[in-house]
Amino acid sequence: QKEVEQDPGPLSVPEGAIVSLNCTYSNSAFQYFMWYRQYSRKGPELLMYTYSSGNKEDGRFTAQVDKSSKYISLFIRDSQPSDSATYLCAMSEGTNAGKSTFGDGTTLTVKP
Amino acid sequence: DAGVTQSPTHLIKTRGQHVTLRCSPISGHKSVSWYQQVLGQGPQFIFQYYEKEERGRGNFPDRFSARQFPNYSSELNVNALLLGDSALYLCASSLRTREPQHFGDGTRLSIL
Repeated sequence: QKEVEQDPGPLSVPEGAIVSLNCTYSNSAFQYFMWYRQYSRKGPELLMYTYSSGNKEDGRFTAQVDKSSKYISLFIRDSQPSDSATYLCAMSEGTNAGKSTFGDGTTLTVKP
Repeated sequence: DAGVTQSPTHLIKTRGQHVTLRCSPISGHKSVSWYQQVLGQGPQFIFQYYEKEERGRGNFPDRFSARQFPNYSSELNVNALLLGDSALYLCASSLRTREPQHFGDGTRLSIL
């Protein structure tokens, strides 16, 4: 069983919808949580990161971490066709983000 | 500012050959990590270097090696290539190990 499990999708939503992307993990040592967006034939692009449980908001994006349930989420409000991509959750032990464990990604399509 | 740059962009090799992949981190970034991303999966951690010292190694065979130079650029070497080494190889950098990483667009390696 993988340390990080991510809903595989694919997910298709209409423009303007609220999107919820989720990951669960089994390693209690994970303290650092990140979300990346990856367009086809490109490298992952950092969207958000957090150390703590609770919510962190940045524009249309909200990252939510529940360490007690070992569950993290990314919410996208007012989704746009340009949000169509693969979304990867990543996490690492302690404060070293350079040794991250990734989920396998959720592919999102936002239809105009 | 230039992002993380990787070379070459694409590479085709045959089984048993050796390959060297190169990475230039964002200016001032001292932490460099390498990841392997197989199609349909998330990136898998291979190595991390910080201040020219190895800070971590993932679950990869000894055929994989890396190093970081005084200017913080890095090389990933893979010997005795196997068909299963076909993947996108990603380099990521950060200012310090506790900072989230920024990725390059990768080197796409195909083994025939």
